[in-house]
Amino acid sequence: AQSVTQLDSQVPVFEEAPVELRCNYSSSVSVYLFWYVQYPNQGLQLLLKYLSGSTLVKGINGFEAEFNKSQTSFHLRKPSVHISDTAEYFCAAKKAAGNKLTFGGGTRVLVKP
Amino acid sequence: EAGVVQSPRYKIIEKKQPVAFWCNPISGHNTLYWYLQNLGQGPELLIRYENEEAVDDSQLPKDRFSAERLKGVDSTLKIQPAELGDSAVYLCASSSRAKGDEQFFGPGTRLTVL
Repeated sequence: AQSVTQLDSQVPVFEEAPVELRCNYSSSVSVYLFWYVQYPNQGLQLLLKYLSGSTLVKGINGFEAEFNKSQTSFHLRKPSVHISDTAEYFCAAKKAAGNKLTFGGGTRVLVKP
Repeated sequence: EAGVVQSPRYKIIEKKQPVAFWCNPISGHNTLYWYLQNLGQGPELLIRYENEEAVDDSQLPKDRFSAERLKGVDSTLKIQPAELGDSAVYLCASSSRAKGDEQFFGPGTRLTVL
């Protein structure tokens, strides 16, 4: 069985400062990894995904994530956040051969002016 | 391209009452998912459909929850009777094998059971 752990439940950050959201996964087989963003009262929107190839993945809205197989991590970063990045962020994993997404508990990002 | 549509967006009911949620997936998406999202947690899969067939319903509490996807397009998720602990957001998502199985999510239905 696979599991996803997001190490921070809340991350306060000032506008224009960098942010990193941590995600670790466990799985006995190859997995695909995803980051989703959820704005208040909305569904989840895909930010980026890692399937294979380059371990540095660039996504929408200036976000990027790095897959680290040895540390089983997939941390999300943005060099300079905006107020509009205030949202909840979810890391997710699925087996390369399956459809089932397993989500982490989420990290709430609050960007302060 | 229209996204995943869900209705209602909000529902408030008394406990022991029945409730139903509706989902219209993206056109052409053969796979449909229902997720439960408790407050402050990530979504958890309830059921997955491939066309009209439920291929993974292992996490669906079958004593009170049921779902259907007649004709392999729209889907309905029902709870009867609802309990206080069912208060949550119910998310629908759809995907297409032709587009790499990326899941697209609807806005969800927020259920409050009083």
